[in-house]
Amino acid sequence: GAGVSQTPSNKVTEKGKYVELRCDPISGHTALYWYRQSLGQGPEFLIYFQGTGAADDSGLPNDRFFAVRPEGSVSTLKIQRTERGDSAVYLCASSSKTSGPSYNEQFFGPGTRLTVL
Amino acid sequence: AQKITQTQPGMFVQEKEAVTLDCTYDTSDPSYGLFWYKQPSSGEMIFLIYQGSYDQQNATEGRYSLNFQKARKSANLVISASQLGDSAMYFCAMRGDFTGRRALTFGSGTRLQVQP
Repeated sequence: GAGVSQTPSNKVTEKGKYVELRCDPISGHTALYWYRQSLGQGPEFLIYFQGTGAADDSGLPNDRFFAVRPEGSVSTLKIQRTERGDSAVYLCASSSKTSGPSYNEQFFGPGTRLTVL
Repeated sequence: AQKITQTQPGMFVQEKEAVTLDCTYDTSDPSYGLFWYKQPSSGEMIFLIYQGSYDQQNATEGRYSLNFQKARKSANLVISASQLGDSAMYFCAMRGDFTGRRALTFGSGTRLQVQP
């Protein structure tokens, strides 16, 4: 079946602009995660959705970042007033299990490379 | 809080030889999972292997095995019979099983280069 997809694959914008990044998870996966990966670093957690609600948004760096998942499937990460420091690869992942000590593989999308000029 | 430490920024290995990538972790969760992911230059994160903190045996997946030493809080990845296609970034990650955050905490990664 189809994996996690993310659009666009690349986004170049100017400082101060607004951007939206889209994630389409694997069908039926209730959990969705956004991560940010800066050059030479591991991914860092941004926000986690369980269904339609944000179960944990403690990784969002500031209030310029916001994410939604209105129907419990597709999610959009929104960044207002972009800054050069926002340049990174934004990764989305989804998984089917959400609780307990169980194997819970997260399937990652290919990422969106955001460049803020 | 959780923390993953990968102390090897880069590693070289000859083709067909085995290599060990180091990972140590710290957590206050009594139950947790440890993961290794591979990230080729194309950018996608590819799941390799999982180890649960209460699993009695070390996890194995084909040429990948996880050397889990709970008392030392280490979860090293062993790749046997290295292939040129194994050249990539490798990330160790963990997740607490009962904390509210279900996301993974990643280390900074190790770049593996397999030489012919």
